[in-house]
Amino acid sequence: QVQLVQSGAEVKKPGASVKVSCKASGYIFTTYYIHWVRQGPGQSLEWMGWINPANGNTRYSQKFQGRVTITRDTSASTGYMELNSLRSEDTALYYCARERVVAGGELLDPWGQGTLVTVSS
Amino acid sequence: DIQMTQSPSSLSASVGDRVTITCRASQSIRTSLNWYQQKPGKAPKFLIYAASSLQSGVPSRFTGSGSGTDFTLTISSLQPEDFATYYCQQSYSTPKTFGQGTKLEIK
Repeated sequence: QVQLVQSGAEVKKPGASVKVSCKASGYIFTTYYIHWVRQGPGQSLEWMGWINPANGNTRYSQKFQGRVTITRDTSASTGYMELNSLRSEDTALYYCARERVVAGGELLDPWGQGTLVTVSS
Repeated sequence: DIQMTQSPSSLSASVGDRVTITCRASQSIRTSLNWYQQKPGKAPKFLIYAASSLQSGVPSRFTGSGSGTDFTLTISSLQPEDFATYYCQQSYSTPKTFGQGTKLEIK
């Protein structure tokens, strides 16, 4: 079955960087975009960006532009999200999700299990 | 950016009740509206796409409707497994913004 499995929890100091991985299985990795979404403690979902695994093209939310880099390794069927210059407000669960194009738009399904990133001095 | 506003932010109801959650977009998004369900400690799960189309396997007690800027998610007869937080998301334009969520609790 289609599955996205993310890397484990991370604890980082302010100013550091974090790189989260998302390994896909059960489908051809290059045929579906991968999105990254985060969720702060007790908060809603915040879309960060996507990557087209076929060619590496990316699109980022303006909020994270310049601080986030989304990449992929097609040989490993794995996507990555790197966030730099971490601050305490970046403490959150980070999710990857596969995009499915449907009539009228696109949806995110399935999602990875989430990776908790804690930023603390 | 398109802002998505859900109401109410929380809702208390009983098993068997009919409940409706509203989602409003700050500009027209046609029918590019998805609904997700999230249970504590779990990733969101996709329920409805294009405002009213049910994901395969989602019970028919869930219905979505609306177009333009106003959308609703209705659960016709609440079951114990439906108590969760529900999010709307617009897929019309980037960034793909989400509503702030509606937490459905047992009365």
